[in-house]
Amino acid sequence: EAQVTQNPRYLITVTGKKLTVTCSQNMNHEYMSWYRQDPGLGLRQIYYSMNVEVTDKGDVPEGYKVSRKEKRNFPLILESPSPNQTSLYFCASRTNRGTLSYEQYFGPGTRLTVT
Amino acid sequence: RKEVEQDPGPFNVPEGATVAFNCTYSNSASQSFFWYRQDCRKEPKLLMSVYSSGNEDGRFTAQLNRASQYISLLIRDSKLSDSATYLCVVNDDYGQNFVFGPGTRLSVLP
Repeated sequence: EAQVTQNPRYLITVTGKKLTVTCSQNMNHEYMSWYRQDPGLGLRQIYYSMNVEVTDKGDVPEGYKVSRKEKRNFPLILESPSPNQTSLYFCASRTNRGTLSYEQYFGPGTRLTVT
Repeated sequence: RKEVEQDPGPFNVPEGATVAFNCTYSNSASQSFFWYRQDCRKEPKLLMSVYSSGNEDGRFTAQLNRASQYISLLIRDSKLSDSATYLCVVNDDYGQNFVFGPGTRLSVLP
């Protein structure tokens, strides 16, 4: 089954404790992206990757890191989480091939609470 | 000014009603446009892409007006299962950065 998986689905942590949220896709997609969703603000892009070893900042990259060592994986790293990073996080992937009307496939989301 | 704006909602409509959602975007270089649907606490899923000529998929019709930088979604004969938040999404001219609107929540009532 074609899918994007994220782990963990729920996480409660404390300020300053480094954490990683994993994202993996099995569709051989070149493009992967991370978003956060907050009430009233919608989804905002954190980082994206056009392909292996190619990453770029989205609209809200501060406090986050990513890496793309393999095509299928795109982990999101919070080196020193703070309460303002409490949010619902989504990973997404899509192909870079074909027309511009690409469908993004989203993971199920990770709900992060930083106390 | 937000890059993508949508009707604030929520929209509460009876079954069978026709409902229209509006979206405006600020980047005139935007190339691709989409409507996504998001159920409560779930991930967004593509509802339909929006083409310059307009497109229809069953009860759903999407329109794009590039001159006015405006996108619309029309749902006819609404069903209870249409209850969700509808997200307007715009892709920049390089196809890399997707910008989501804040969404409009729809509740279809029996």
